[in-house]
Amino acid sequence: QKEVEQNSGPLSVPEGAIASLNCTYSDRGSQSFFWYRQYSGKSPELIMFIYSNGDKEDGRFTAQLNKASQYVSLLIRDSQPSDSATYLCAVGASGTYKYIFGTGTRLKVLA
Amino acid sequence: ETGVTQSPTHLIKTRGQQVTLRCSSQSGHNTVSWYQQALGQGPQFIFQYYREEENGRGNFPPRFSGLQFPNYSSELNVNALELDDSALYLCASSSQGTQETQYFGPGTRLLVL
Repeated sequence: QKEVEQNSGPLSVPEGAIASLNCTYSDRGSQSFFWYRQYSGKSPELIMFIYSNGDKEDGRFTAQLNKASQYVSLLIRDSQPSDSATYLCAVGASGTYKYIFGTGTRLKVLA
Repeated sequence: ETGVTQSPTHLIKTRGQQVTLRCSSQSGHNTVSWYQQALGQGPQFIFQYYREEENGRGNFPPRFSGLQFPNYSSELNVNALELDDSALYLCASSSQGTQETQYFGPGTRLLVL
């Protein structure tokens, strides 16, 4: 069973701090990794994707991938109350066209 | 906004009934994937359609079926509804039949009583 694991949280950080969200996956053949943000009652919204080991930055967001450790993370700098949401990690399952999602980490940014 | 639309937004059905959910993909996208998201869980892959053919299926029973039309829009049909089918049903569109980035529609919230 290919799995994606995330800490369900809630992860609480003060406004302006760095939020660090983590995700591990079991499928060593996975090649594509995604972070989605989901507000309560809404559908997932793509934040970032990453395919290669290392860091990828987009504005206040940085995705980090370590395939050897089967670990992907999302850093949110200068966290804002509007960043409060559930963050879903998705991994492209090898040999298929589907994504496998974690259960999500709930982030609360305290004003 | 992703350009992916779904209808209806909400639906209430009773156990044993059948339901059809609809999705229009983003312009330029030819692949549609369907996911089921139960409360407090991550989305679970149901199946994917590419060029009107099923292109992969998750662990869902045959009473979950789908279609893709020549304009790349898609339908998800669920027969013999069960209480556990209550969930948010998400459609995601992407280009080509690959793991290209998937963009989600707003979802259809189904309640089975």
